[in-house]
Amino acid sequence: DSGVTQTPKHLITATGQRVTLRCSPRSGDLSVYWYQQSLDQGLQFLIHYYNGEERAKGNILERFSAQQFPDLHSELNLSSLELGDSALYFCASTLGHQNTEAFFGQGTRLTVV
Amino acid sequence: AQKITQTQPGMFVQEKEAVTLDCTYDTSDQSYGLFWYKQPSSGEMIFLIYQGSYDEQNATEGRYSLNFQKARKSANLVISASQLGDSAMYFCAMRGGKLIFGQGTELSVKP
Repeated sequence: DSGVTQTPKHLITATGQRVTLRCSPRSGDLSVYWYQQSLDQGLQFLIHYYNGEERAKGNILERFSAQQFPDLHSELNLSSLELGDSALYFCASTLGHQNTEAFFGQGTRLTVV
Repeated sequence: AQKITQTQPGMFVQEKEAVTLDCTYDTSDQSYGLFWYKQPSSGEMIFLIYQGSYDEQNATEGRYSLNFQKARKSANLVISASQLGDSAMYFCAMRGGKLIFGQGTELSVKP
């Protein structure tokens, strides 16, 4: 158990809908990273939050948004969903320093039908 | 800009033999961290090993070692005495401003 909790584990929704993925980092971790992993693909970096502030953005679509709350949990909002958004979405948390590994949640598998 | 490259989409190794998975990186940062993760078919991401850019010695964790060649910007993962349970996807990652991953190498261990 990595200590990072992602909910839900599985999500099936229709095109055009909006969903929210939730991530609770390990106790004490200030950084949260979000990734998208499509079938047979690597992890595409979406966005990084540190202590409530956005620190870096990757190839995140405008239809996607995220935030980190004062209790440090984070949510990734995906709207106007398309079939191509079907993927495994991971969050990872880390203390905040470069020399510490990131711990991953189990991921949320999103299927858009 | 940061970049991680894994040039081996798939690798095969005989059980009990050693295998090297390649990783090269590019960054203009002076301070950065390099990581390897394992992703079995069940999907979870498992941290294996870390190397800091200022570390002079290569990192080792059990059967895993990281062959760090800073001048060549490479951070290859060496798995000794391969086991059937090592069959998985392996990702190299780098952390500077962002935490980015390579495309992965699928390792298959043959009995």
